[in-house]
Amino acid sequence: GIQVEQSPPDLILQEGANSTLRCNFSDSVNNLQWFHQNPWGQLINLFYIPSGTKQNGRLSATTVATERYSLLYISSSQTTDSGVYFCAVITGGGNKLTFGTGTQLKVEL
Amino acid sequence: DTAVSQTPKYLVTQMGNDKSIKCEQNLGHDTMYWYKQDSKKFLKIMFSYNNKELIINETVPNRFSPKSPDKAHLNLHINSLELGDSAVYFCASSQGGVNSPLHFGNGTRLTVT
Repeated sequence: GIQVEQSPPDLILQEGANSTLRCNFSDSVNNLQWFHQNPWGQLINLFYIPSGTKQNGRLSATTVATERYSLLYISSSQTTDSGVYFCAVITGGGNKLTFGTGTQLKVEL
Repeated sequence: DTAVSQTPKYLVTQMGNDKSIKCEQNLGHDTMYWYKQDSKKFLKIMFSYNNKELIINETVPNRFSPKSPDKAHLNLHINSLELGDSAVYFCASSQGGVNSPLHFGNGTRLTVT
């Protein structure tokens, strides 16, 4: 099956810093989503982005499907950005969303 | 106005018992899912229903049985609970099948003692 790797596995930031999270996948995909799991365990859909670039406030994401990676940018980080960020993909012709191992982010004051 | 709601939020039970987790979505979506998140936070799909029809059934012990009485509800029944079933179970939904944004419930933390 498809392999989905995220980096870095852990990240600590000072509030106000910017960061880039990466998601690499081993096969072509037609569905890629980014999620944030907050410290209370809630999973929030951030982006549905099989290709191209999207922005939502301080967050933006870019997927380069031909090179098999996606990036999530967090600008001016806040403590509420803490949690685990997951990317998840579906391969062409597939029907199951495969999750990456996540990036654990902690934003400190 | 909760979009995807699960009950209960916490479930503590003993080995060998049978338990159910309920899920309801008010988004009008036609596809619903059950995911399991283990202690290392790895998320894996268990089941998926589209308009009450089972479309994904991963390699899950047959002690786990999903039931979808209508497209807004997907319940999960677990028989003869084992210690290894301890995890967080998430219900989710999407509109138009798997290639659309997924919306999760808040999860049910199951602890088997």
